[in-house]
Amino acid sequence: GALVYQYPRRTICKSGTSMRMECQAVGFQATSVAWYRQSPQKTFELIALSTVNSAIKYEQNFTQEKFPISHPNLSFSSMTVLNAYLEDRGLYLCGARRGANSDYTFGSGTRLLVI
Amino acid sequence: GDSVTQTEGLVTLTKGLPVMLNCTYQTTYSPFLFWYVQHLNEAPKLLLKSSTDNKRTEHQGFYATLHKSSSSFHLQKSSVQLSDSALYFCALSEGNMGYKLTFGTGTSLLVDP
Repeated sequence: GALVYQYPRRTICKSGTSMRMECQAVGFQATSVAWYRQSPQKTFELIALSTVNSAIKYEQNFTQEKFPISHPNLSFSSMTVLNAYLEDRGLYLCGARRGANSDYTFGSGTRLLVI
Repeated sequence: GDSVTQTEGLVTLTKGLPVMLNCTYQTTYSPFLFWYVQHLNEAPKLLLKSSTDNKRTEHQGFYATLHKSSSSFHLQKSSVQLSDSALYFCALSEGNMGYKLTFGTGTSLLVDP
């Protein structure tokens, strides 16, 4: 079946430092990868959508300068949180799908704690 | 913009009782609605989805009907089990499998023995 793995599962970084998280699709080709963040007391917010062979589209309030994303092939994507501060803490969820007419498969998330 | 509202943050029930988790939405596009279930420390998994007005969709004992007239997609089950304890998210996508999922705030369902 289709699975998505995210790592690390949880991480702690010092305020002002950067942290990279990874997303691996297994059993299918992830033509689209969506990165979400769930901040404390909030729902999942879409950060950006990455589609192979297309430009990465960032949502309002999220920028490439802060959350650079790499999607080099159909099984892997990574996102970095640059200069992390307290407001960046939360659960970062990766969702991947084969194409426009398929459902997202989500990973278990990377939980980021900033100290 | 699009929005999804889940009014209950926590629902606690005894095993065997029926449950309904509320979900209403706002969009200017043709809606595609989803319910995801997330057990502790696991990935959210798709439970149900629908874009057809007034048609009941079912999976694993859960069911929901999209009502465009009231912009609702409530999740129901006639008899909850202990294993149903989880976080449930309602989500909205624009049009036919539009790329962006807009999530509600989630409802925690806790089933007591």
